[in-house]
Amino acid sequence: EPEVTQTPSHQVTQMGQEVILRCVPISNHLYFYWYRQILGQKVEFLVSFYNNEISEKSEIFDDQFSVERPDGSNFTLKIRSTKLEDSAMYFCASSGLRDSGNTIYFGEGSWLTVV
Amino acid sequence: GENVEQHPSTLSVQEGDSAVIKCTYSDSASNYFPWYKQELGKGPQLIIDIRSNVGEKKDQRIAVTLNKTAKHFSLHITETQPEDSAVYFCAARGGMNTGFQKLVFGTGTRLLVSP
Repeated sequence: EPEVTQTPSHQVTQMGQEVILRCVPISNHLYFYWYRQILGQKVEFLVSFYNNEISEKSEIFDDQFSVERPDGSNFTLKIRSTKLEDSAMYFCASSGLRDSGNTIYFGEGSWLTVV
Repeated sequence: GENVEQHPSTLSVQEGDSAVIKCTYSDSASNYFPWYKQELGKGPQLIIDIRSNVGEKKDQRIAVTLNKTAKHFSLHITETQPEDSAVYFCAARGGMNTGFQKLVFGTGTRLLVSP
């Protein structure tokens, strides 16, 4: 079964450093997302991406965050200057065409620890 | 925007019993309601979903019901097994005003099935 894959599974970084989290969405999907989950809390939407541009973002997704689809398969989340409160599990997700079903599939997550 | 409430936060049952988790949503325009199972350290895994034009859906031991008038939906697991132990999240896809692909998650229910 196709799946969303993410790397790294776990990253520890110092406060102020830049981090890039990588994702390979399901190959025929067109919508891509990043969500995050702070330990013990619910999953929160960060951003959605369609047709090479951000289609929606939450208030969490401020200027320190950016997303990119550098080639036909990868989808990245960059955090420019990490803060302690950025420590969380970051999930990439993808879905197909809106009219053909909007099931959103999640990856296994990248656990980011900012120290 | 959409707001999803989920109850209970924890649920302990004996193996073989049924488990019911309930969610309410606020946006009457929401039309898609998935349920995800999350095991420790892993990403949310879709277990069942329902669209607003359907009142009930069943898949083996799992069923979901939707009451659009009352704006609530429920997950029913029958004949529970220890491997059903996990955190379960409900979610709602907001209406057009909140983004047609964004999922808003509930706060999660930790289900523990004792042998």
